[in-house]
Amino acid sequence: DAGVTQSPTHLIKTRGQQVTLRCSPKSGHDTVSWYQQALGQGPQFIFQYYEEEERQRGNFPDRFSGHQFPNYSSELNVNALLLGDSALYLCASSFSPGQVVSEYFGPGTRLTVT
Amino acid sequence: AQSVTQLGSHVSVSEGALVLLRCNYSSSVPPYLFWYVQYPNQGLQLLLKYTSAATLVKGINGFEAEFKKSETSFHLTKPSAHMSDAAEYFCAVSEGSYKLIFGSGTRLLVRP
Repeated sequence: DAGVTQSPTHLIKTRGQQVTLRCSPKSGHDTVSWYQQALGQGPQFIFQYYEEEERQRGNFPDRFSGHQFPNYSSELNVNALLLGDSALYLCASSFSPGQVVSEYFGPGTRLTVT
Repeated sequence: AQSVTQLGSHVSVSEGALVLLRCNYSSSVPPYLFWYVQYPNQGLQLLLKYTSAATLVKGINGFEAEFKKSETSFHLTKPSAHMSDAAEYFCAVSEGSYKLIFGSGTRLLVRP
């Protein structure tokens, strides 16, 4: 059983560009969350998708957007990249409607903005 | 608002010694609490979680944590450190709102 998978593993972009990161949830999971982990810090919640809709959002600007597909996979899009967007982007999946968050994390995509 | 404080960004222990990683939380309602481990260049792996059942929670790899409401703490312990325990450890809290609030992490170093 494959766990959470993410692509690509690494990515280098230039300021002002746009980027799309992809995530496939663990089998049986229908909820996908995205987190940003800056170097030396803990992950910060970006948003969560369930039933193809954004269910909850953290304190991130509108430059960060997402999408969930009918097969539960998800994309994270970041527009107008800033140097400060350089981070490890983690995708996590879980099964809703459980109240207790128990998320499985993918290996992450390392984004470098130059 | 929920928050998590992890005391000590780096903890160094000798192999075979007790591991103690500290976590204090702030929550307006009974929280769910978690410990995750992150090895270099990898994602997060769940070690254990507290969900209002037993206050002493046992996890994988010999780790355990005790929920102490009076101290608002959820410290992670392991009786005997192994070299393979060297990693970054994150404490996280959730009030059932489907998102995790993480601490800033503690890097565990294990000396031979």
